[in-house]
Amino acid sequence: SQQGEEDPQALSIQEGENATMNCSYKTSINNLQWYRQNSGRGLVHLILIRSNEREKHSGRLRVTLDTSKKSSSLLITASRAADTASYFCATDDKAAGNKLTFGGGTRVLVKP
Amino acid sequence: DTEVTQTPKHLVMGMTNKKSLKCEQHMGHRAMYWYKQKAKKPPELMFVYSYEKLSINESVPSRFSPECPNSSLLNLHLHALQPEDSALYLCASSQVWRQGQETQYFGPGTRLLVL
Repeated sequence: SQQGEEDPQALSIQEGENATMNCSYKTSINNLQWYRQNSGRGLVHLILIRSNEREKHSGRLRVTLDTSKKSSSLLITASRAADTASYFCATDDKAAGNKLTFGGGTRVLVKP
Repeated sequence: DTEVTQTPKHLVMGMTNKKSLKCEQHMGHRAMYWYKQKAKKPPELMFVYSYEKLSINESVPSRFSPECPNSSLLNLHLHALQPEDSALYLCASSQVWRQGQETQYFGPGTRLLVL
């Protein structure tokens, strides 16, 4: 099973709306990252949040981390058609041999 | 230069062929990675190279053979692949390997089809 499980698996919204996706993980972590992947392309790093941080912002992105619940959320505000992509959370999974482990991903469709 | 390049973009090969995937970065990163990604799935780690030495092999079949000739280059040699090996192969790099805590920079991938 994967360290990170994302919810929802797919999300369809109108341009201008906010998109929220969640990631849950099982073991303790040092940090959690979010990546974006446009269809059939490489992943792009969005943001990293450390285990001692609760919230982080980058442009239209807001990430929260709740280590007591072992969960994180990614909020994209004022979405644009160009935000259409898959979004993956990734953690350093000690139980999996200290490698960067990706969640299942959320596919986001932003309709113009 | 802040990008990771991969060649070729697409590759079709038969099960008896030998081919190689190439990855290059000029960011001075000392860790490089190969991932395999099937459609609608997350990337799965295959290999980690740290300072040109193989640090992690995720029990990958021997028909995949990685090589790191220098700190900028990473190759993946393919031989006698199976149709189920068809996937997007992603290369990534990071400043150093920090056991999963590093930020990784990905190339665009090679789309491989094995017939």
